[in-house]
Formats: sequence, C-alpha cells, structure tokens
Amino acid sequence: DVKVTQSSRYLVKRTGEKVFLECVQDMDHENMFWYRQDPGLGLRLIYFSYDVKMKEKGDIPEGYSVSREKKERFSLILESASTNQTSMYLCASSLAELTSNRYEQYFGPGTRLTVT
Amino acid sequence: QQPVQSPQAVILREGEDAVINCSSSKALYSVHWYRQKHGEAPVFLMILLKGGEQKGHDKISASFNEKKQQSSLYLTASQLSYSGTYFCGTEIRGYSTLTFGKGTMLLVSP
Repeated sequence: DVKVTQSSRYLVKRTGEKVFLECVQDMDHENMFWYRQDPGLGLRLIYFSYDVKMKEKGDIPEGYSVSREKKERFSLILESASTNQTSMYLCASSLAELTSNRYEQYFGPGTRLTVT
Repeated sequence: QQPVQSPQAVILREGEDAVINCSSSKALYSVHWYRQKHGEAPVFLMILLKGGEQKGHDKISASFNEKKQQSSLYLTASQLSYSGTYFCGTEIRGYSTLTFGKGTMLLVSP
C-alpha cells in the first residue's frame, strides 16, 4: 500500500512565524503535490514537483515556497505565516507519465494549520 | 479554471441512486474522481481518459463526454459507506496538473 505521511495532524503557529510542513511518500513516486482545502472552495493546488529539486507553481503559490531535496520528501514552507493561511493542507503523490495524467494521486491525512 | 460540480449536496436513502456532474469550460484530457470522508484524506475512485479509457472502481461508474466537456459519476444502490464529499479533478491539456471542483457532499441515510 502506498503511504503518504505528513509530519503533523494539527499545528498552531503565530503570525509572522516561519512554518514547515513535511510530507513523505514511500512508493518512489515522481510527482508530489501540496494542496490547501478550505470549506466551499475544494482542493486548490499550491505547488507541485515532478522530480528532485524541480518545482512548479500551482494556482495559489503566493506566500508559500517548497523544497524537494530527496525524491520521497516534499516540504511546504510558509515564510511568514498569516491568519489567512489558516487551512487544511494536504500532500499527495503519484506516478508520472509524460503524455497524460493517467495515474491516481495518493493523499496524506492532512495538517490542520491554525495561525493566530 | 475550476470545474463546476452539481449538485452541491444530495441526501439519499440507502438503496437509492445518485448522479454527480462535473463540467468544464475548457476541453478536457482526463477527469479524475475522488471521495473524501469526514476527517479523512481524499481517496481515488476513477480516472476517465480522453479516448474512452477508464480506470477505477468496480461498484461505481462514470462517463466522460469529451464534446460537452463534462463527466458524470453514477452511484447506484447507494450504501451508507458512500457518504462523503466527492471531488472531480480535471486535466485541460496533456500532462498538466489537476484542477479540482468544489465538491459534492453526499449523505446516505438508513
């Protein structure tokens, strides 16, 4: 079974703090993703990575950065947390194919981040 | 652009059928369907690819109308375990990331 784990289920941080969210997958997947999920808005892509050290912006990258130094690990960084970044953050991974998006994404359990 | 899902919510009794729709304003290469139960991670259900290929779940079916740029998920003889929020994710060009809809909440009651 594919397993995607996230470092924390719940996190409370103060405004202005630097926040690291970690994600690890154990199935040698090339693609990794970070989404945020807010009520009524669905899943919105923040960043994704298709290889080590490679990253691409998603739909809402502002205020976030990412790091992928090893294939199995993908980190989301909030450089200076703000209250509007309070949300559920979901990491996902998938195999990759060059011509189409034919592989399912496997999601981690999520980190509920509260910024006060 | 985010696909539009309808309905936003549906309540069923066990054994009833439901259809969830997902529409895009752009041509689609693939449509993915996921279900998320309360407090849990989204779980893959189905992929529908341009050209008719499907991958997914034995007990849930879906259609993909490329001309109409829409997909429908069919839940027949619903069970209590079907309750959750269903998301469609659309791919608008080859090997692009998915854009997810806002979700359809399904509640199946005894």
